[in-house]
Amino acid sequence: DSGVTQTPKHLITATGQRVTLRCSPRSGDLSVYWYQQSLDQGLQFLIQYYNGEERAKGNILERFSAQQFPDLHSELNLSSLELGDSALYFCASSPQVAGMNEQYFGPGTRLTVT
Amino acid sequence: QQPVQSPQAVILREGEDAVINCSSSKALYSVHWYRQKHGEAPVFLMILLKGGEQKGHEKISASFNEKKQQSSLYLTASQLSYSGTYFCGTDRGTASKLTFGTGTRLQVTL
Repeated sequence: DSGVTQTPKHLITATGQRVTLRCSPRSGDLSVYWYQQSLDQGLQFLIQYYNGEERAKGNILERFSAQQFPDLHSELNLSSLELGDSALYFCASSPQVAGMNEQYFGPGTRLTVT
Repeated sequence: QQPVQSPQAVILREGEDAVINCSSSKALYSVHWYRQKHGEAPVFLMILLKGGEQKGHEKISASFNEKKQQSSLYLTASQLSYSGTYFCGTDRGTASKLTFGTGTRLQVTL
């Protein structure tokens, strides 16, 4: 158990819908990262927050948005969902933003768009 | 730019050794190594920083050649539990954005 929690574990929804994925980082970690992993694909970095502020953006679609709240939990919002958005979405946290910033991954949310 | 991992897959008998390589065409600040079992979350193994600092699990060793922008993960006396997909993630120092390789599938058999 990494100490990072994600909810829900599974999500099945229809095309065009909007969903919110939630992540709580390890106690004391200020940095939160979101990744997308499609079937048999590697991890694609989406976005990073540090202490409430956006720090880096990756291949995140305009239909996707995220935020980190004052209590450091983060939410990833996916809207106008398409079949291709079906994937495992991981959240990770790390104690700092640079240097020894090893990332600890949550169990993931499996999103299925039908 | 995505780092290149080699080999793509490897099968070992328990007790054998393996080396997994990760190379980048860009200058790197750090290299991270993770192992992921099917359907599970990636698990942190090792982080190597430019300049030589590193942190990781006791039974895992790795190297980072800054001149060649290459890292290698050394798995010795492999155990069945080592099976999984190994990913390297590279950080160019720009806000700690990790770019992961496509992975190396490792299977350890009896």
